[in-house]
Amino acid sequence: AQKVTQAQTEISVVEKEDVTLDCVYETRDTTYYLFWYKQPPSGELVFLIRRNSFDEQNEISGRYSWNFQKSTSSFNFTITASQVVDSAVYFCALSEAPYNNAGNMLTFGGGTRLMVKP
Amino acid sequence: DAGVIQSPRHEVTEMGQEVTLRCKPISGHDYLFWYRQTMMRGLELLIYFNNNVPIDDSGMPEDRFSAKMPNASFSTLKIQPSEPRDSAVYFCASSPRTGVRGHTGELFFGEGSRLTVL
Repeated sequence: AQKVTQAQTEISVVEKEDVTLDCVYETRDTTYYLFWYKQPPSGELVFLIRRNSFDEQNEISGRYSWNFQKSTSSFNFTITASQVVDSAVYFCALSEAPYNNAGNMLTFGGGTRLMVKP
Repeated sequence: DAGVIQSPRHEVTEMGQEVTLRCKPISGHDYLFWYRQTMMRGLELLIYFNNNVPIDDSGMPEDRFSAKMPNASFSTLKIQPSEPRDSAVYFCASSPRTGVRGHTGELFFGEGSRLTVL
């Protein structure tokens, strides 16, 4: 069975601080995909990034960066120089073997609520 | 391009009433998912369809819940009779068949239907 754990339920930072959101996952599959979604106060779920289990390269997109480490089963998300607009709930998710036509059934972590104060 | 469209956005009903939530997936997507979000349980997969056929409904809480997909552009999630514990945000999501060129594996979510059962 697959499981995603986001131990931090809530984080509060002051604008311009860097912040890292932790994600730890469990899976028996050797092929899997990891995702991060953002849920702003308006409620929709916005896709941020996908990573497959064969690619451990870190990725940077503007102020966002992701650190994937298979050795520790972690896929952490860092926001550099946080802004008030980053305030949202962030979800980490796992999909096992999506390339077998089973569909991208995502298992979500519990989410981390990030509050960025001005 | 239109995203996943859900209706109603908000529904308030009394216990015992029938509730029907609707979803129009993105055109051309083969998979459709229904998720439920609550404070206690987070985001849970209820059921998903592939080419209009239900594949996995193990997440449907009980017989009061039913989902249909009569065609590729429409799905419903019905609760009959509704109970206060059904109060939640219900998300519909769709995705193309995995392996489709250019598809990064993410689910595309609707804005959700917030259900309150009094």
